[in-house]
Amino acid sequence: GAVVSQHPSRVICKSGTSVKIECRSLDFQATTMFWYRQFPKQSLMLMATSNEGSKATYEQGVEKDKFLINHASLTLSTLTVTSAHPEDSSFYICSASPNPFFTEAFFGQGTRLTVV
Amino acid sequence: DAKTTQPPSMDCAEGRAANLPCNHSTISGNEYVYWYRQIHSQGPQYIIHGLKNNETNEMASLIITEDRKSSTLILPHATLRDTAVYYCIVRVATPEGGATNKLIFGTGTLLAVQP
Repeated sequence: GAVVSQHPSRVICKSGTSVKIECRSLDFQATTMFWYRQFPKQSLMLMATSNEGSKATYEQGVEKDKFLINHASLTLSTLTVTSAHPEDSSFYICSASPNPFFTEAFFGQGTRLTVV
Repeated sequence: DAKTTQPPSMDCAEGRAANLPCNHSTISGNEYVYWYRQIHSQGPQYIIHGLKNNETNEMASLIITEDRKSSTLILPHATLRDTAVYYCIVRVATPEGGATNKLIFGTGTLLAVQP
């Protein structure tokens, strides 16, 4: 199946700094990618839809100025957590699909962010 | 998108069939049923999807009731590696792309396969 890769898999950063997470579709082009956040023992929460060449669409309650999304190419979307705080510590996951119907989504391995 | 209801947890003996139920009584005619699973600390993995006919692939079978208000995911011979949270999601499938194709995850069923 198609491969979606995230980098880094783990990151520890100091409070107040910014962290960039990359999501790449390795063997297909993706005009749309999705970003999720998952807290311990909870389900995945959709944060935003990343659209190639245009602005991301954020879910209600997600601060767009805090979670900057850039989808500059058909194979790369980035999520930047700006001015990170300990409450931003979470598991961040992206997904993409090689077909426009998105009937089979492929997920990255996730990025564990710890803000200290 | 229609909401789904799943039991929070289930146990299954290794080698036996695991039958995971999902209720989606408010499903619309153009909404598909999708199943994903998430093994601990990994990204979710697609399993199977269907509209109204039963579906089977190398991983599992999907049985959808005739009224489409519920479905069952069947893992025919569960192994320890099948221990995961299983998510049932209903959603339309449209080529329009963008946010219309987003997957909204519920709480899922934690399947524990016992040796």
